[in-house]
Amino acid sequence: QQQVKQSPQSLIVQKGGISIINCAYENTAFDYFPWYQQFPGKGPALLIAIRPDVSEKKEGRFTISFNKSAKQFSLHIMDSQPGDSATYFCAASIDNAGNMLTFGGGTRLMVKP
Amino acid sequence: DSGVTQTPKHLITATGQRVTLRCSPRSGDLSVYWYQQSLDQGLQFLIQYYNGEERAKGNILERFSAQQFPDLHSELNLSSLELGDSALYFCASSVDGRGHIQYFGAGTRLSVL
Repeated sequence: QQQVKQSPQSLIVQKGGISIINCAYENTAFDYFPWYQQFPGKGPALLIAIRPDVSEKKEGRFTISFNKSAKQFSLHIMDSQPGDSATYFCAASIDNAGNMLTFGGGTRLMVKP
Repeated sequence: DSGVTQTPKHLITATGQRVTLRCSPRSGDLSVYWYQQSLDQGLQFLIQYYNGEERAKGNILERFSAQQFPDLHSELNLSSLELGDSALYFCASSVDGRGHIQYFGAGTRLSVL
């Protein structure tokens, strides 16, 4: 059962453009929603995270938008740069249940110069 | 560098064999998580240990087992290997069992021939 669905699978954006990746979850018990960035040959690295009590969180060029009623959240990368080219994973976890991460399927982002 | 060390980086073995993957968590982190990343299943949680005790189990096969030692390093044992076990295996660590910020190692790439 895929509890976190992520789209699109791949994304090509021009330098300076906005990259948008969407995720939807099923389990309403999830209470922590991180995004991870993974470069080839490396492990995932935490990029930004949000809890369901806020609707938006911004860190530099990266913004998470969260819609609790729709059970959806998204990552926006403003002014996308070639160095942002990587695979992005959304994830979700439950605070009091071990906090293991349930990952979305990943989005491979390519930012063209 | 996340501070999480995984060895070996690459492992090539044959079907039916047994291998051991090793993980050293970040200094001070008590919790270790193991994840499997494959093309068809994506990133999936396998098992979590906290301060030497098993904390949570995910989609871990019975042929797989893990443990966390008193010095907090962890080992993932994979036995009776099958072709389908070929994947990247990641270890992540966090300060405590709540695990909200999980730091990932670079992974061990297992190839079963």
